[in-house]
Amino acid sequence: DAKTTQPNSMESNEEEPVHLPCNHSTISGTDYIHWYRQLPSQGPEYVIHGLTSNVNNRMASLAIAEDRKSSTLILHRATLRDAAVYYCILRSGGSNYKLTFGKGTLLTVNP
Amino acid sequence: EAGVTQSPTHLIKTRGQQATLRCSPISGHTSVYWYQQALGLGLQFLLWYDEGEERNRGNFPPRFSGRQFPNYSSELNVNALELEDSALYLCASSFLRANTGELFFGEGSRLTVL
Repeated sequence: DAKTTQPNSMESNEEEPVHLPCNHSTISGTDYIHWYRQLPSQGPEYVIHGLTSNVNNRMASLAIAEDRKSSTLILHRATLRDAAVYYCILRSGGSNYKLTFGKGTLLTVNP
Repeated sequence: EAGVTQSPTHLIKTRGQQATLRCSPISGHTSVYWYQQALGLGLQFLLWYDEGEERNRGNFPPRFSGRQFPNYSSELNVNALELEDSALYLCASSFLRANTGELFFGEGSRLTVL
């Protein structure tokens, strides 16, 4: 499985934007970039995914570098509820639908 | 619509015993995934079932096993429990043919081995 590298932790203030980086220099052409988050004492929750183009949904935006070797999850206005561990994951576009989670980034949101 | 449900929520066993954890996927989902999350660690992939077949297996010993039933629910069995098996066991489901590959996770079953 192609690997991802994320900072161990990041801190933000409430109502400010947050940019969570992810490096995936060994990404293959068919790998999708997925983001999940895990709130305390809960199972992971899907956030967003993309292949080549930037993506937006109600939760966040995903900015993908032109060479696809890195991506950034953008939370436009952080809330206290966004405090969680954020996982950047590569999923093969082939028949292997397994997701391999790394250690993720622990996001702390200050009031 | 009901989400992924797991039972039991908590389970306490002693070393050497067997544990059985259950998972009901979202209606219409044919794939079930099992993950282990030990305290302070990330999610480790255990097993993936689809249409009743084991499709992939993580780097775990054979005493971790499971199955998927015709109604797509799944069971994870852990034999000869060891202290390090204490963890949160998460189940996720997806509709394999969907191109999003999004996994929907349950709340998990916390297994404590004494």
